[in-house]
Amino acid sequence: GAVVSQHPSWVICKSGTSVKIECRSLDFQATTMFWYRQFPKQSLMLMATSNEGSKATYEQGVEKDKFLINHASLTLSTLTVTSAHPEDSSFYICSANNAGTRFNEQYFGPGTRLTVT
Amino acid sequence: GDSVTQMEGPVTLSEEAFLTINCTYTATGYPSLFWYVQYPGEGLQLLLKATKADDKGSNKGFEATYRKETTSFHLEKGSVQVSDSAVYFCALSEIQGAQKLVFGQGTRLTINP
Repeated sequence: GAVVSQHPSWVICKSGTSVKIECRSLDFQATTMFWYRQFPKQSLMLMATSNEGSKATYEQGVEKDKFLINHASLTLSTLTVTSAHPEDSSFYICSANNAGTRFNEQYFGPGTRLTVT
Repeated sequence: GDSVTQMEGPVTLSEEAFLTINCTYTATGYPSLFWYVQYPGEGLQLLLKATKADDKGSNKGFEATYRKETTSFHLEKGSVQVSDSAVYFCALSEIQGAQKLVFGQGTRLTINP
């Protein structure tokens, strides 16, 4: 149980286009989802916290107009990278907070590798 | 702000060797501490956790003890296997609030047969 999926697993897009990444909790409801960015051989950096039915909370330095987050249901959050540029190329990972567990355990998706050419 | 520092990798060991990956943290409150593991091509998985001082988390032969006095949460395993090859992340989460995870930089572990 407690599976989180991401789609697509990898995507290549041209500079200036937008890309949408989906994060789904498959067997539990997630009132909160998190979006992370991971650079090669580096740690995960939290980008934003996504709460179902409300606006996302962005970390300092993350452009909210560039990284649009929508958490429309208890099982789905989306991250849209708008007007992508090569420096946006990265590994994007989501996690979902399972409020049904004792310590609100987070479960991670497998990640989406974005390459902007 | 809160932060986590892990020993730099990569770490390469022979099978059945003893493993220690150091992790120290700074936090304003009393966080929960976690070790996550990322196997090649997979997402992060929770390996173990501890929620208060002196707690010991354990799973799959791995152990880590929450040491408040030294602000540490070192990961240990007595006899590693090739299948333990992965990237290991130490992380903390404040109990209150949004429960965001703050990660260390990760340590890549390779076990040779």
